[in-house]
Amino acid sequence: DTAVSQTPKYLVTQMGNDKSIKCEQNLGHDTMYWYKQDSKKFLKIMFSYNNKELIINETVPNRFSPKSPDKAHLNLHINSLELGDSAVYFCASSQGTSGEQFFGPGTRLTVL
Amino acid sequence: AQSVTQPDIHITVSEGASLELRCNYSYGATPYLFWYVQSPGQGLQLLLKYFSGDTLVQGIKGFEAEFKRSQSSFNLRKPSVHWSDAAEYFCAVGLQGMRFGAGTRLTVKP
Repeated sequence: DTAVSQTPKYLVTQMGNDKSIKCEQNLGHDTMYWYKQDSKKFLKIMFSYNNKELIINETVPNRFSPKSPDKAHLNLHINSLELGDSAVYFCASSQGTSGEQFFGPGTRLTVL
Repeated sequence: AQSVTQPDIHITVSEGASLELRCNYSYGATPYLFWYVQSPGQGLQLLLKYFSGDTLVQGIKGFEAEFKRSQSSFNLRKPSVHWSDAAEYFCAVGLQGMRFGAGTRLTVKP
């Protein structure tokens, strides 16, 4: 019954590796987001997709590439991981770009 | 540009005492404002939101917030804090691509 789910919950990897985080929502929403929360708890929008189209792409290194295979999924692929990528990544969804956002439980990424 | 400021990084209150967490925003039009709570190791849960209408909004868990346009503020209040309210609280503005404040960590003393 989880509304917005993310896998994995924890991800520990070495610098230079490529990894993906998956997000799925069963709310029937058409807009999905990725946020990054750093070690100081600061939350920042990274990407937003509406009906599988990219509508927000903040200043994020192009090592980060979101992929939306359908409206219910928004995956985040990260190439050549760096130490500074260590953070908690949150997925969220909303109905329309003006709707209330519902957040997933987060994925804690640790890059060694 | 949208931005949110939460002036208090950390607040400690005694259980049963009242609470007010401050939030100031900068926004070019009528703001959409939110308060979220994050318990340790958890995701974000929406406490309440303001889109328009009555400037005093009620949320879950006994929280309320008041929108004051003249002060560009949206402070969160609770009349009597419970130990389970200890968490990180985030104010946010906007809709698509919300901008979050830096958060206020609430500690509740017995």
